[in-house]
Amino acid sequence: KAGVTQTPRYLIKTRGQQVTLSCSPISGHRSVSWYQQTPGQGLQFLFEYFSETQRNKGNFPGRFSGRQFSNSRSEMNVSTLELGDSALYLCASSLDGLGPYNEQFFGPGTRLTVL
Amino acid sequence: GIQVEQSPPDLILQEGANSTLRCNFSDSVNNLQWFHQNPWGQLINLFYIPSGTKQNGRLSATTVATERYSLLYISSSQTTDSGVYFCAVGFGTYKYIFGTGTRLKVLA
Repeated sequence: KAGVTQTPRYLIKTRGQQVTLSCSPISGHRSVSWYQQTPGQGLQFLFEYFSETQRNKGNFPGRFSGRQFSNSRSEMNVSTLELGDSALYLCASSLDGLGPYNEQFFGPGTRLTVL
Repeated sequence: GIQVEQSPPDLILQEGANSTLRCNFSDSVNNLQWFHQNPWGQLINLFYIPSGTKQNGRLSATTVATERYSLLYISSSQTTDSGVYFCAVGFGTYKYIFGTGTRLKVLA
C-alpha cells in the first residue's frame, strides 16, 4: 500500500502571497489532519477532515483553511503569507479520525519558506 | 488546557547504551503513539500504544493510562537512532496533541 504523499515537498513564497498544499491519504483512509511544525512552537494541530467535512480546528487564524475532496485527498491553503508561516507542514491520514483505535500515518511534509 | 510533556528534552548517549524516554499527559487518553522524526522531517511510526506494553526489536514501549504516562525504551542504541522522538495523544474524539519532544544524539 502506498503511504501518505504530500506535494510539493519544498516551496518558497514571498510575504502577501498565498499557497496551496496537497495531501493524498493512504487508500481507504477517510480522515486527513494537518499540522504545522516550527522550531519555536513545536508540532501544532491545524484541522482535521473526514468525509469532506472539517470536524475540528486548531488555534490558527482564518488565513489557514482547508478542504477535502470526495476521494479523501485534502488541500490546505494559507492566504496573505507572513514570515512566521515558514514551517514544515505535515499531514496525516487514518481510517476514521483522531479518536480511539485510529493510528495516524504521516506524509513526508512540505517545507514552506516565506521571504 | 491539556498538557503533554516529554522528558528529558535532550539526551546524548554513547553507542550501545540504553535509554528511557518519558511522556506525561494531563488527562485520560484514548489514543497514544510514539514517533521518530528523521533529519528530513518525516515522522516514522514506532508504536501505537494507548495502553499496555509492546516490543519491536530494540525498542519497547509501555503506557500506564491510569497514571497518565508512557515510556519508550531504546536498548543498545545506534547512531541511526539519533533524531527527535515525539509522543502524541488523542483525547475525546477530535483532539490530538503532540508532546514537546526528546532530541536524542547517539555518539559513535
